[in-house]
This record gives sequence, C-alpha cells and structure tokens, in this order.
Amino acid sequence: EAGVAQSPRYKIIEKRQSVAFWCNPISGHATLYWYQQILGQGPKLLIQFQNNGVVDDSQLPKDRFSAERLKGVDSTLKIQPAKLEDSAVYLCASSLDHTARYGYTFGSGTRLTVV
Amino acid sequence: GNSVTQMEGPVTLSEEAFLTINCTYTATGYPSLFWYVQYPGEGLQLLLKATKADDKGSNKGFEATYRKETTSFHLEKGSVQVSDSAVYFCALISSDTGRRALTFGSGTRLQVQP
Repeated sequence: EAGVAQSPRYKIIEKRQSVAFWCNPISGHATLYWYQQILGQGPKLLIQFQNNGVVDDSQLPKDRFSAERLKGVDSTLKIQPAKLEDSAVYLCASSLDHTARYGYTFGSGTRLTVV
Repeated sequence: GNSVTQMEGPVTLSEEAFLTINCTYTATGYPSLFWYVQYPGEGLQLLLKATKADDKGSNKGFEATYRKETTSFHLEKGSVQVSDSAVYFCALISSDTGRRALTFGSGTRLQVQP
C-alpha cells in the first residue's frame, strides 16, 4: 500500500511569513495526526483528527497554527505568522482507527526552517 | 499527564556489543508501549510494541518487555550492527478511549562503530 504522503519536503521562509503543509494519509485510515519534531527532541502532538472532526488540539498554538481535514481525507497545516522557534520537522501520521491498535504510519515529514 | 523518559545519548558501541536503552513511563491506566526508530534522513518506523503487562515485543533482533511494576520498557539487542545506527524513540498510547495519540520520549541516538 502507498504510505503517508507529505509535501513539500523542505521549506525555508522568513519570520512573519506564512506557510502551509499538506498530508495525504493511507487510504481508509480514519485518524490523522500532525506532530512537531524540534531538532534533538521527540515528536510532539499538535492535532488529532478522526475523519474530519478534531479529537485533540490542546497543544496546537491556535494564535498562529491552524489545521483542517476537509472530506476526512487530505489535511493541511498552516502557520501564520511564522516565528523562529517554529523551525522543526512537521510529521503527519495516520492510523486505521482512533484506537491505533495497529500502530501509526508516519510520513517522511516537512522540514521547516524559519530565518 | 502521560510522559516518557529515555536515557540520554549518544550511546556509542562497537559492532557486536550488547545494547540496552532505558525507557520509563508515567501514565494512567494501562498504556500500550512502543519503540520507534528513525534512520538518518528517513521517517519514523515502528520497531516493536507491547500492549499489556509482561508482553515482550520483538523485531529485527531487538526486544523489549512491558514491566508494569517498574513502569519500564527497556530496549535490548544482543549484538548490534553498524546498520543499527539511528535514533530510537520510546512512546506510549494512553488507554483513554478518546485521546489515543502517541506520547514520545526525547529519543536516544545510537552510534555503532565497526
């Protein structure tokens, strides 16, 4: 089966600019996750979707970050305006259902550098 | 809340040495436990998992046993290879039915020298 697709692979922007990331999960996977991985740290959950509804966005900085999952398939994560501390790898993952008992599949990530 | 603590790296070993990477956790209920691996330039891959106490997860020569009494899930391998050089992440999923998202440790970098 095809994996989780993410684009772009790399992005460099100046602070205060906006940026958007795209994720296409594995076909049939109802649950989609966005994680932020800062260099040298473990991934941190930003938002979890079940179909097109939000399950958990408690750690999403809502003053600058937004995410949507229209039609319960693809998802976009946006940052506006970006700050230097947003430099990180943004990982998308999907699982068959919310129990995740079969595990997650992660995409390769988008590496964001804010200068 | 849930949290995972891993030993700091980097861990540097010679080929064929024995590997242990310590992992302890804090969680309510009965979490499922995972080890993920991230090879240079690649994404996160599931290495092994255990879903209940005393379960042993294993894959590619790596093993970890779910120890509820010590809240630990240490990763072991009897003989490491250069190709095992990577960053290893311990993680858990809470047993809460509504919020089953992975919580990760900070990762441990393993460097295996020939």
